[in-house]
Amino acid sequence: AQSVSQHNHHVILSEAASLELGCNYSYGGTVNLFWYVQYPGQHLQLLLKYFSGDPLVKGIKGFEAEFIKSKFSFNLRKPSVQWSDTAEYFCAVDAGNNRKLIWGLGTSLAVNP
Amino acid sequence: NAGVTQTPKFRILKIGQSMTLQCAQDMNHNYMYWYRQDPGMGLKLIYYSVGAGITDKGEVPNGYNVSRSTTEDFPLRLELAAPSQTSVYFCASSYSTAKNIQYFGAGTRLSVL
Repeated sequence: AQSVSQHNHHVILSEAASLELGCNYSYGGTVNLFWYVQYPGQHLQLLLKYFSGDPLVKGIKGFEAEFIKSKFSFNLRKPSVQWSDTAEYFCAVDAGNNRKLIWGLGTSLAVNP
Repeated sequence: NAGVTQTPKFRILKIGQSMTLQCAQDMNHNYMYWYRQDPGMGLKLIYYSVGAGITDKGEVPNGYNVSRSTTEDFPLRLELAAPSQTSVYFCASSYSTAKNIQYFGAGTRLSVL
């Protein structure tokens, strides 16, 4: 079965530290990839997406992600986090046009000021 | 542009009671989804719909029912509430499954006591 694995369940950083959140998926065909963010008490919103083309995609608020097909990975990065980045981050994969997204369990990020 | 609207925001039910969670979108999206989110468990798909009159089960459909009589509305029905249904429920919609960008509502926090 298709699955998405997020390696870090809880991450604590200080402001200005660099961030990398891992995401791996299990599917050998063409995929669309997403990172969503959920700020405390809010709904999920799209952070960035990859459909095709340049494997390095940029999203909102300085986030970026790199699609590495050979590693089945789509890791999220940010060079310097801010306190306002405290949130839960979800990786999701749309594989095989099955009308549904496969979601990772999420990574809770806490940024200390 | 309201996007995806969910009502109510909060609800407390007694065991055995029933209720309907409302979801409406004004983006003319064909695809709509209901998820539940439990701490540390990510998003679990309950039901989804690919258009008016068409619904299908997701990962965790037991104890829930849906209908889709119009493109705009996708209500979720709990017939006999159980404590295991205590959760946060999110409705989402997307324009197409070719590039399945899902837009989320603000959620309904439900407690069954």
